[in-house]
Amino acid sequence: IQMTQSPSSLSASVGDRVIITCRASQSIGKYLNWYQKKSGKVPKLLIYAASDLQNGVPSRFSGSGSGTEFTLTISSLQPEDFATYYCQQSYSALLTFGGGTNVEIK
Amino acid sequence: QVHLVQSGAEVKKPGAPVKISCKTSGSSFGTFTIHWVRQAPGQGLEWIAKGGPSAGGAIYGQRFQGRVNVATDTSTSTVSLEVSNLKSEDTAVYYCAREAGFGFGAVLDLWGQGTLVTVSS
Repeated sequence: IQMTQSPSSLSASVGDRVIITCRASQSIGKYLNWYQKKSGKVPKLLIYAASDLQNGVPSRFSGSGSGTEFTLTISSLQPEDFATYYCQQSYSALLTFGGGTNVEIK
Repeated sequence: QVHLVQSGAEVKKPGAPVKISCKTSGSSFGTFTIHWVRQAPGQGLEWIAKGGPSAGGAIYGQRFQGRVNVATDTSTSTVSLEVSNLKSEDTAVYYCAREAGFGFGAVLDLWGQGTLVTVSS
């Protein structure tokens, strides 16, 4: 299953609303997870099952979608949110990640 | 509290093998499924394989079939990844990650600190 994220990068300011899109090459139901990756740090699970917030993750992060189209929304971007975000399908036993979306400071 | 602790950085020559370990602390090792993911310099996350005591057998990504092996040592609560015939393109940080039991497939909720593998002649 191929996962395609868009955009590949974006520039935004603190306080902006940011939306990242992930598309699957076939229907995956709600088997879609989102991770945050900062340089030199370990990936961090943000959202699982398309829309469930992982414990301890701020509520400004939210996920939606099902089937083949999914979004990750950051409602008000904070300085600590500048990072790369990856979607990952868990529908197939052969996991695949999207190419990543790099969120940079404007 | 559960932690995943990986072995240290490795420098290998092309064609050599490398073995990376992921030791779990805390209890419940028998319930774990462990995945291996890597990130090459400037690249994204790439899934390699899964294994561990609760995995029901190892599964390998198509790109890695025949070149990687996941082994489980229950006596030391360790899952290892061995990559053979290393190429320069295998230079990457390798992570182990635990599969959470959320009932939505392989959600990776806990990660090791990463192991840098450098392949250079």
